[in-house]
Amino acid sequence: QAGLTQPPSVSSGLRQTATLTCTGTINDIGSRGAAWLQQRQGHPPRVLSYRNNRRPSGIPERFSASWTGNTASLTITGLQSEDEGDYYCSAWDTSLTYVLFGGGTKLTVL
Amino acid sequence: QVRLEQSGPEMKKPGDSVNVSCKTSGYIFSTYGINWVRQAPGQGLEWMGWISPYTGNRNYAQKFEGRVAMTTETSTSTVYMELRGLRFDDTAVYYCVRGGPHSDTWADYWGQGTRVNVSS
Repeated sequence: QAGLTQPPSVSSGLRQTATLTCTGTINDIGSRGAAWLQQRQGHPPRVLSYRNNRRPSGIPERFSASWTGNTASLTITGLQSEDEGDYYCSAWDTSLTYVLFGGGTKLTVL
Repeated sequence: QVRLEQSGPEMKKPGDSVNVSCKTSGYIFSTYGINWVRQAPGQGLEWMGWISPYTGNRNYAQKFEGRVAMTTETSTSTVYMELRGLRFDDTAVYYCVRGGPHSDTWADYWGQGTRVNVSS
């Protein structure tokens, strides 16, 4: 049950765009897509995008997700200081018996 | 509205067991699975397993097999997670998370977290 792979850190400027990536295998992301979670310091994670790339209500359109092959991506446009935090991807495996998480990417807004 | 309310912080010694509860409300209990996810200090998220309140089926991460047990109490819409044989590296915040493998909205609601500290 190896985890998903995310870069440890990404930085981009205020009002710029950041793209976070998450790489898995055909047995997880490649088959089932990935959900994206944001965690601000001291808070539980919250979901930004479901595995079908749809946003929950209340999540701004600035957050958009996609996946191609075994890689999922989260693009954040018009970066704001409040977007700083840790971002995690997650996916169920094709057997639907366990969940994988990425190690998380720390986003810094310069 | 949907709420997942977890039990309070726990202080335990190595070898102890801990039982964390997650009381749900605002939706039909049987229609969504509940997962347990933990986060050690300064670390990432780790999935421990999930249980279906509808079928009682459960799957645990290999790492926790034999040490974890997840149960449900339908009368109170509560899910419990027991972790046995606690070790120092079980110190973490434990979250319950709504959603099962067939749910398109997996992880849409999280409990507030329960801090478990294992110390001698």
